[in-house]
Amino acid sequence: ETGVTQSPTHLIKTRGQQVTLRCSSQSGHNTVSWYQQALGQGPQFIFQYYREEENGRGNFPPRFSGLQFPNYSSELNVNALELDDSALYLCASSTGQGTYGYTFGSGTRLTVV
Amino acid sequence: RKEVEQDPGPFNVPEGATVAFNCTYSNSASQSFFWYRQDCRKEPKLLMSVYSSGNEDGRFTAQLNRASQYISLLIRDSKLSDSATYLCVVNNAGGTSYGKLTFGQGTILTVHP
Repeated sequence: ETGVTQSPTHLIKTRGQQVTLRCSSQSGHNTVSWYQQALGQGPQFIFQYYREEENGRGNFPPRFSGLQFPNYSSELNVNALELDDSALYLCASSTGQGTYGYTFGSGTRLTVV
Repeated sequence: RKEVEQDPGPFNVPEGATVAFNCTYSNSASQSFFWYRQDCRKEPKLLMSVYSSGNEDGRFTAQLNRASQYISLLIRDSKLSDSATYLCVVNNAGGTSYGKLTFGQGTILTVHP
């Protein structure tokens, strides 16, 4: 069984640039969520995709956007990067509403300078 | 008030000790509850789900009190390998069309020889 894979593992960008992070969900999982984890904090919910549609969003500005593809893989796009966007970005997949928990990828560590 | 609040920690205990973590949540419509473990600079991994009847997995026991909106995790006979950050997690699928994990800030546990 293939777990959740994310790419790239590390990334350095400059303020104002745009970034795309990628995620392949675990086999059999049709729901993908994205989380932002700042140092010393718990992960914060960005948004969730189910069957290629966004069906939930946390308190993040519109410059955070995403996509889910027919194979349930997903992208997170962040425009106009700010220094505070530096964080670990985690992708998690589940079946349905995640009643039995989510499986997380190892994350992409984004540094904005 | 934060949606999920945990003991601030950190906890520093000797091998063999018993340690308990507590957590409260504010959304009474929350549907499912979990403890995740996160090692330094790694992704969160599901430790166990938490059920109203209480559940046990080896040295780990989780309890849920829906009336008090309180969750606990007990670790018996601590091992060095238990050193990690423990995250209390609530799935806020209740009342919405999607599942959203809300994390506590995490409690750091260090088990020393």
